[in-house]
Amino acid sequence: DAMVIQNPRYQVTQFGKPVTLSCSQTLNHNVMYWYQQKSSQAPKLLFHYYDKDFNNEADTPDNFQSRRPNTSFCFLDIRSPGLGDAAMYLCATSTRTSGGETQYFGPGTRLLVL
Amino acid sequence: GESVGLHLPTLSVQEGDNSIINCAYSNSASDYFIWYKQESGKGPQFIIDIRSNMDKRQGQRVTVLLNKTVKHLSLQIAATQPGDSAVYFCADLCSSASKIIFGSGTRLSIRP
Repeated sequence: DAMVIQNPRYQVTQFGKPVTLSCSQTLNHNVMYWYQQKSSQAPKLLFHYYDKDFNNEADTPDNFQSRRPNTSFCFLDIRSPGLGDAAMYLCATSTRTSGGETQYFGPGTRLLVL
Repeated sequence: GESVGLHLPTLSVQEGDNSIINCAYSNSASDYFIWYKQESGKGPQFIIDIRSNMDKRQGQRVTVLLNKTVKHLSLQIAATQPGDSAVYFCADLCSSASKIIFGSGTRLSIRP
């Protein structure tokens, strides 16, 4: 059964047209992450939520916003997508224990900007 | 970890041989390290982790070695199989910063 679900798997948008990517989880994890991954590069952390606490990376453009209305759902909003925002967007969840942390990744949403 | 650029290094290994994938990290405060496998078109998949109070940890066919002195991490895969073909990423967590950062990846290809 899917534990971290991302919808849609492929998203096409127009230059400058706002787009929202969705992530949901059935694991009840308190931490959720959004990463951007471009071809042949490592995933780059955009931001993460620890419960309701939002943590933005210093170099994440203002064009990227996130919402977490409840434990299960997290959204990535791109207000005005540019051609350079075309990438795979990965959602991950984790729970932190004294033993460490394991992330569970969703399959990703591939965003194409026309 | 630090993402170091646009071109992934590639490691080509004969099927059945052992593979060793290396990773350097930069944050000396990192205390938890993870190796991920990412197959084409999929999200990263957890392989094995290690805490900073250990220098070696073994899983099924995989071993992770940690050298904190030189901030180096390695992943050893025994008897490499075609299904091991993927990109492998290391990642590290600094507990005080509470976030996991990916390092550079290595593409592993298997020769028949």
